[in-house]
Amino acid sequence: KAGVTQTPRYLIKTRGQQVTLSCSPISGHRSVSWYQQTPGQGLQFLFEYFSETQRNKGNFPGRFSGRQFSNSRSEMNVSTLELGDSALYLCASARGYQETQYFGPGTRLLVL
Amino acid sequence: DQQVKQNSPSLSVQEGRISILNCDYTNSMFDYFLWYKKYPAEGPTFLISISSIKDKNEDGRFTVFLNKSAKHLSLHIVPSQPGDSAVYFCAASGSGGSNYKLTFGKGTLLTVNP
Repeated sequence: KAGVTQTPRYLIKTRGQQVTLSCSPISGHRSVSWYQQTPGQGLQFLFEYFSETQRNKGNFPGRFSGRQFSNSRSEMNVSTLELGDSALYLCASARGYQETQYFGPGTRLLVL
Repeated sequence: DQQVKQNSPSLSVQEGRISILNCDYTNSMFDYFLWYKKYPAEGPTFLISISSIKDKNEDGRFTVFLNKSAKHLSLHIVPSQPGDSAVYFCAASGSGGSNYKLTFGKGTLLTVNP
């Protein structure tokens, strides 16, 4: 069974731009969560979607948003990029409620 | 407010010996705990989990122990192998809608020396 895939793997943007990251969950998984990893803050929860509905949201500004499609694929968008948004963005999928989350390889975003 | 803490940033052990990684939590609503292993430039890989109704779970060389009264869990790796060298993250989640998210510790870098 294929794992979680994320595209693109690497991205360079400049301040003020916006970016969209994509995540395809493991087949049959309906829950998709997004996390940000930075050296200072570690892994922090952004949001979680289940059946196209956002169920949980972390403590991030409104510039961070996401959505999930009917096929469970998910995208996250960051608008008005800041230097501090440089991070590894990880997507994780799970079959359902409180099931084990399996992570993708991440998208490395660098904001210049 | 760090709800999941891994107080040892790094740990070094000899091949064949036991590795013990520790994790403390403060939120009494957490009832499901997981350990992930992460290599650089890759996503975390799930290792083992434990529910709060248990105090031990074993999977091959990996055993997780949970002490609810102390709000402490540990991951034992026996025997340790050089391929186990990675960053290990402890994560926790709670039941109920708004608690269903993983809260991670900052990680412990394990180095297994041949």
